[in-house]
Formats: sequence, structure tokens, C-alpha cells
Amino acid sequence: GQSLEQPSEVTAVEGAIVQINCTYQTSGFYGLSWYQQHDGGAPTFLSYNALDGLEETGRFSSFLSRSDSYGYLLLQELQMKDSASYFCAVKNSWGKLQFGAGTQVVVTP
Amino acid sequence: GAGVSQSPSNKVTEKGKDVELRCDPISGHTALYWYRQRLGQGLEFLIYFQGNSAPDKSGLPSDRFSAERTGESVSTLTIQRTQQEDSAVYLCASSLLGLAGTNTGELFFGEGSRLTVL
Repeated sequence: GQSLEQPSEVTAVEGAIVQINCTYQTSGFYGLSWYQQHDGGAPTFLSYNALDGLEETGRFSSFLSRSDSYGYLLLQELQMKDSASYFCAVKNSWGKLQFGAGTQVVVTP
Repeated sequence: GAGVSQSPSNKVTEKGKDVELRCDPISGHTALYWYRQRLGQGLEFLIYFQGNSAPDKSGLPSDRFSAERTGESVSTLTIQRTQQEDSAVYLCASSLLGLAGTNTGELFFGEGSRLTVL
């Protein structure tokens, strides 16, 4: 089976940096993805890591360590619009994508 | 269309009735996924279709749930004898390539079908 763990909520002020950790257990691991979901909206893709290391996309970066079954999403220069839920998701070799329970990020002025 | 389309956007039904939810994926996307999301919760995997291969049904919560897909096009999720605990948003997503060997994990989600069972 598959399981993912991430914190339920993180609060930070505008301009700060937030790191959301994700640990996973799965068979046939192929990659780790991150999605953002605003209240009432559909999830949208942020990043994908198949290899160890850091992927940077603007203010957001994602990291993966396959040996540690661990990854994180780094949000820099936080803005109010970044208030949302963030989900990590593991992809197995068959293509199935399993999501974590999500981390609610609250950005305060 | 340009994106994943789901219908109906909202459905209110009585306990015990059957419902059908429809998903039109992005044209050319071989992989199609259904997820359930209860209020304030994460995305619960239901079923995954990849091309003409047998679907991964490991997430369907009971035999009241079933899904079909015609080739690489429309998919229908059917819930029979609905129960109040089935109330949730049902999200469909499609992906260009779902198999290992690709280096993208990007799913494109529809806006969901909100199901309320009274």
C-alpha cells in the first residue's frame, strides 16, 4: 500500500519562507508531485521530482530524497494569495497517483 | 474542450438513489483518474484508467461504486444506492502519459461534481 504524511497546518507572515515536509511509504515509487488547492477550487500542479535534488520554479521549490522517502515544498516570499492547501502525491511505476491529506497554509499580514 | 469537463457540477439526491457523474478528459490524454474529496479533507483515490489496460480499481470504497471509460474518452462514475457518507466532491483528472518512463506527474483536474445525499 501507500501512505503519506504531511503537517496539517502551517501559519506564516507575508514575505516569510515556509517548508512543507512530506514523508511517504510506497511500493514501486516513481516520483513525488505537489499540488495547490484554493478553497472551492480544483487542485493545480506545482512541481514534480523523480530524481534526488531540488527543483526550482519561481518562488516555489521542491526537494526529493529517495533514500529517505522524504520530500518538501519550499514557499518563498510568501504572499497572501499563497493561502491554500498543499498536497504531496506519490506516483508509482504504474502511474497511479496517491495524495496526502494536505497542509493548510495560512498567510497573515 | 481546453480542459477537463465534469458534469453535473452539483447534484442533490435522496438516499438510496443511483447517480452518474461524467468526466470529459483533455483530448489525447491517455490516463484518467477519479478522486473523492470530503469537506476539508484530502483527495481519496478511487480509480485510475490508463489507455486500454485494465483499470486500477483499488480505491473504490464498496461495490456500490463503479466506473467505466470508453477508449481514451469519456468516463462515467456510478454510485448505486447512495448513502449520506457518499456526500463529497468527486474530482476527475487526466494526464497525457501516466506510465513510468515519462518525467511528468502533472494531472489536470476538472472543477468537480459536488454530490449531496439527503
